[in-house]
Amino acid sequence: GAGVSQSPSNKVTEKGKDVELRCDPISGHTALYWYRQSLGQGLEFLIYFQGNSAPDKSGLPSDRFSAERTGGSVSTLTIQRTQQEDSAVYLCASSYRGGPETQYFGPGTRLLVL
Amino acid sequence: GENVEQHPSTLSVQEGDSAVIKCTYSDSASNYFPWYKQELGKRPQLIIDIRSNVGEKKDQRIAVTLNKTAKHFSLHITETQPEDSAVYFCAASGRSGTYKYIFGTGTRLKVLA
Repeated sequence: GAGVSQSPSNKVTEKGKDVELRCDPISGHTALYWYRQSLGQGLEFLIYFQGNSAPDKSGLPSDRFSAERTGGSVSTLTIQRTQQEDSAVYLCASSYRGGPETQYFGPGTRLLVL
Repeated sequence: GENVEQHPSTLSVQEGDSAVIKCTYSDSASNYFPWYKQELGKRPQLIIDIRSNVGEKKDQRIAVTLNKTAKHFSLHITETQPEDSAVYFCAASGRSGTYKYIFGTGTRLKVLA
């Protein structure tokens, strides 16, 4: 079946602009995660959605970052007033129940802020 | 706060030798420890995982060991092959049983032919 998909694959923007990154999880997966991967670094947790529960936003680095998950499926990560330090690969992952199980990653969106 | 340390950051081995990557975690509530492999330009993929009620798990050439007392876990790859070359990430589940994984900073493994 189809895996996790993300769009766009690459995004170049100017400092101060807003960007929206999209994630389509695997059908039937109730848990969805966003991570950020800076060059040569590990994966930094950003936000976690599980079913209809309130999202865990504890990893968002600033109030310029927000995310939504509509209808329990597609998620959008929004970065307002982008800064150069926001440049990174943004990875989305989904899992079946949000428990101790495999998280399936999407291909990522490579964001470059000029 | 929650933290996972991973060593070494880079590792070069000759084809056929073994490779060992070590991680330590800080949160004693962590109970699930996956390992991901990320090839250049590709997405991370799970290669093996271990739960806290198990000390060791093997899958062909790959094994993971867990020492809960010391809060250490390690990945062992035997008979390494060039296609094992990649970045490997360890992770630990977060506080209170949540599954927002805390990832290590990665180990770049090079298997020399």
